[in-house]
Amino acid sequence: DVQMTQSPSSLSASVGDTVTITCRASENINDYLNWYQLKSGEVPKLLIYAASTLQSGVPSRFSGSGSGTDFTLTIKSLLPEDIATYYCQQTYRTPRYTFGQGTKVEI
Amino acid sequence: QEQLVESGGIWVKPGGSLRLSCAASGFIFSNYYMSWIRQAPGQGLEWISYISSSSAYTNYADSVKGRFTISRDNADNSLYLEMNNLRADDTAVYYCARDAMTSSYHYYMDVWGKGTTVTVS
Repeated sequence: DVQMTQSPSSLSASVGDTVTITCRASENINDYLNWYQLKSGEVPKLLIYAASTLQSGVPSRFSGSGSGTDFTLTIKSLLPEDIATYYCQQTYRTPRYTFGQGTKVEI
Repeated sequence: QEQLVESGGIWVKPGGSLRLSCAASGFIFSNYYMSWIRQAPGQGLEWISYISSSSAYTNYADSVKGRFTISRDNADNSLYLEMNNLRADDTAVYYCARDAMTSSYHYYMDVWGKGTTVTVS
């Protein structure tokens, strides 16, 4: 199975900062990479699909990039409501849709 | 609006069985693949199974293969997860999610339920 490794596992930033989360695949997954946001007590939310396509309704301060094995989620101008754990997910090597271990963002 | 609502999560003893349900509304359920994902306490998200729109294809994570069975009833807009031989490490919040797909076969989970909690002890 494809292994997905996120870094860092947690980070602390200030309001207004730009935050970057990295996700690395153990093999080439082209751009079959999604990003999700999970807030405590809330439903997981899709942010980015196909590595860089912003899901409808998601603020433009979120962006994704990368292809192959290395991917990045960037949050510009961090807001208090962005406190959450962020997960990457590969959907290239079906039938197993592997998630990364998560990155917890704190302010 | 598009909505998924899970039910069926309870406390169960190791070795026991349980059936989770997921009721879909606000979209054409029969057009979509569907998945189950879980999150154990203090852990990350784990995809555990998907089923194709017509039920022709199913697949499972190794951690549940042979013990869990996914199914659906398109006439009733419902998704199910039959869980047998439950273990303590199956304790988790279980989410159902809709699998959307782009024209280039990029799959992603765009609608999620609030989850239902299964405790095995």
